[in-house]
Amino acid sequence: GESVGLHLPTLSVQEGDNSIINCAYSNSASDYFIWYKQESGKGPQFIIDIRSNMDKRQGQRVTVLLNKTVKHLSLQIAATQPGDSAVYFCAEGGNNDMRFGAGTRLTVKP
Amino acid sequence: GAVVSQHPSRVICKSGTSVKIECRSLDFQATTMFWYRQFPKQSLMLMATSNEGSKATYEQGVEKDKFLINHASLTLSTLTVTSAHPEDSSFYICSARERTVLYGYTFGSGTRLTVV
Repeated sequence: GESVGLHLPTLSVQEGDNSIINCAYSNSASDYFIWYKQESGKGPQFIIDIRSNMDKRQGQRVTVLLNKTVKHLSLQIAATQPGDSAVYFCAEGGNNDMRFGAGTRLTVKP
Repeated sequence: GAVVSQHPSRVICKSGTSVKIECRSLDFQATTMFWYRQFPKQSLMLMATSNEGSKATYEQGVEKDKFLINHASLTLSTLTVTSAHPEDSSFYICSARERTVLYGYTFGSGTRLTVV
């Protein structure tokens, strides 16, 4: 069936560097995408979203890029900080459901 | 912003008993609520989708008689794990979609269920 997946299960970066987390999706009907951050024992925390009619969206220190041609989504975190260490999930869907990818653990080294 | 309150945050129960988890949308009406389950080091897996006033739609492989979902009002949905077993131990998370907001999803803080 259709699924959402990630290229890299773990990512380790140096504090201050930029991080890029990737996600592949296969449901071409999805028109809404979200990146979530999850810390241990907590629920998902919204980071940024993007609709399918956009290619790029920027937030504070974060940028999401959407490439519908290859069904690829990425999250860029600028100047990564220790507090960014967490598991990051992409989620895809529409107005009636939201499904999650496998997750990438980001570790920030001091 | 929209807030979803989920209770309890942690619960330990004996095998064979039932546990109820509540998910409330505060200050907004949730047409649809979603229930997810997350095992350690895994992603959130959608269990079921519930619309206010109607029966929940369960994902393939999720036993509807074991995981009872009630969505009796626009602000409250409950998940009852019946006859719980140790393999039901997991992190359960709800999400509410705001009726008047396109793509308006808000997640609860999750419930850690441990069945002993």
